[in-house]
Amino acid sequence: GIQVEQSPPDLILQEGANSTLRCNFSDSVNNLQWFHQNPWGQLINLFYIPSGTKQNGRLSATTVATERYSLLYISSSQTTDSGVYFCAVSGNTPLVFGKGTRLSVIA
Amino acid sequence: SQTIHQWPATLVQPVGSPLSLECTVEGTSNPNLYWYRQAAGRGLQLLFYSVGIGQISSEVPQNLSASRPQDRQFILSSKKLLLSDSGFYLCAWSPGNKLETQYFGPGTRLLVL
Repeated sequence: GIQVEQSPPDLILQEGANSTLRCNFSDSVNNLQWFHQNPWGQLINLFYIPSGTKQNGRLSATTVATERYSLLYISSSQTTDSGVYFCAVSGNTPLVFGKGTRLSVIA
Repeated sequence: SQTIHQWPATLVQPVGSPLSLECTVEGTSNPNLYWYRQAAGRGLQLLFYSVGIGQISSEVPQNLSASRPQDRQFILSSKKLLLSDSGFYLCAWSPGNKLETQYFGPGTRLLVL
């Protein structure tokens, strides 16, 4: 099945800093999503982005499907950005999740 | 708008006891439904998914089972819990007729003692 690798596994940022999270996948996909899991466990949809670039406020994402990777950019990070960021992909099967990037933003 | 509910929010059960977790979706029809487990740490493991009433696909063989008695109801069960069943159980739905994002419920924290 599809393999999903996320990097870095852990990231600590000073408030206001920018960051880039990466998601590599092993096969062609037609569905790629980014999620944020807050400290209370709730998984929140960030982007549905099987290809191309999207932006939502301080967050943006780019997926280069032909090269099998996606990037999530966080600009001007805030303490509320803390949590775990997951990338999930699928071809014709249910989503496969990466292990996530744990982000801690300190004031 | 669509909403997804899970209950209970937290559950502490002894080893060997039965389990029933419920998930319901409002505001949509014919959703795809999913059960995930997140053990201590961070990875999400897909347990079951369903594309329709009575249709269940199992991704990981174990002592858990799932049922979909109604279009928007998904139930996760066990006859006898194991210590290793402890974790955070998440239900999710997605539109049934197109590829699109999944939406997750608030989850149930299960501790088996």
